[in-house]
Parts: sequence; C-alpha cells; structure tokens
Amino acid sequence: AQSVTQLGSHVSVSEGALVLLRCNYSSSVPPYLFWYVQYPNQGLQLLLKYTSAATLVKGINGFEAEFKKSETSFHLTKPSAHMSDAAEYFCAVVRSSASKIIFGSGTRLSIRP
Amino acid sequence: DSGVTQTPKHLITATGQRVTLRCSPRSGDLSVYWYQQSLDQGLQFLIQYYNGEERAKGNILERFSAQQFPDLHSELNLSSLELGDSALYFCASAPCSGGVETQYFGPGTRLLVL
Repeated sequence: AQSVTQLGSHVSVSEGALVLLRCNYSSSVPPYLFWYVQYPNQGLQLLLKYTSAATLVKGINGFEAEFKKSETSFHLTKPSAHMSDAAEYFCAVVRSSASKIIFGSGTRLSIRP
Repeated sequence: DSGVTQTPKHLITATGQRVTLRCSPRSGDLSVYWYQQSLDQGLQFLIQYYNGEERAKGNILERFSAQQFPDLHSELNLSSLELGDSALYFCASAPCSGGVETQYFGPGTRLLVL
C-alpha cells in the first residue's frame, strides 16, 4: 500500500533562512507526488506536483521539491523563508490515474522574526 | 478563493444525531471529493463523485454517505454521530474524473460533536 511519511511535525526557522520539509514515500511504482499548504482556517492549496516529467519541480510562492527515486524522497525547500510561509504543509501521493490520495501527517512550519 | 463553497462553516451537534454537509463545486467541475481532517486520523480521503455517480471510495464509515445531485452540488450525510467524528470536513472539486491533481479545496465545515 502506498504511504507518505513526513519527518517532523513541527519545523521552526528564522525569517530569511532555508526551509526544508521532508517527505518520503512508499510506492511500488512511480507515483504522483504533491505538496499542499494549509493556512489557518482555510482549505488546502496545491503548492506543486510531480508527475514524472522533471525531477525538480517548481511551485508557487518560491517553493520547489526534488523527486529522488533512489531515496524515495520528495522534500520541499525554499531558499529564504518569509513570515507569510507560516502554515501547515502536507505531502501526498497518488497512483497515476487513481482518485485515492494519501496524505502525510503534516508539518507545521513556524517562522521566527 | 478557490470557487468551491461549503455550508455550513461550523456545526455543533450531539452524539447520535445526523447532519448534512453541503458542497458546491467550481463552475464546470464535474468531480467532487470529500475529505475528513481530524487530530487522530489526519487528513483522509472519504469518497469521490463524478457527474452524479460514485467513482472512488476511501476510508468512509458506513454511517456516512454522500451523493451528488444533477446540478453537481454534493452532500455528505453523517449519522449516528460519535465524539470521534468531530473534525474538519473538506470538499474539493476537479474538472475530470481522474483529476485529483487538479482539485481545488473548499474552506471546510468544522463539525463538533458533543
């Protein structure tokens, strides 16, 4: 069965510092991978998605993620954190052409001034 | 604003009761997905409808049911409510049946069961 593991339920970085949110997936076939962001009291918003076209995926708000098959990872990064990045981030996996999406447990990102 | 609307925003009810949550998809979207977000279970896919028909099922309890109407809005019915059903319920819509990667999420309905 497919699953995703997000290491670290809470990550805190200083404004301007590198953001690194970790995600590892478990899948027997190359999956579709996603990162979503959830701001307080809002629904989920798609940040970026990997669909096997390119291993380095650029998303909105300056975020990007790299698919590494050898490490079964899809970590999310941003070179310089901004206060507005404070939110919860979810990694998700879905088998191609399927409707069922599996979410990770989420990582809450806090930004220190 | 994603264009997906959900009503009500908040709902407080008692154990054993039944509630109905409503979702209106974005204009032109045929698929509606329902999700539950709770502290215990995290974010879970419940069920998907496409153009009025059930298309995929996730971790949806038998006490829960959903339907999609001809005007494409969807309702999630939760019955015999238990304390553990307290959660944020999201719906999302997408243009196509297999369009999970193109789904837009609504703001959610927060359900509190007392």
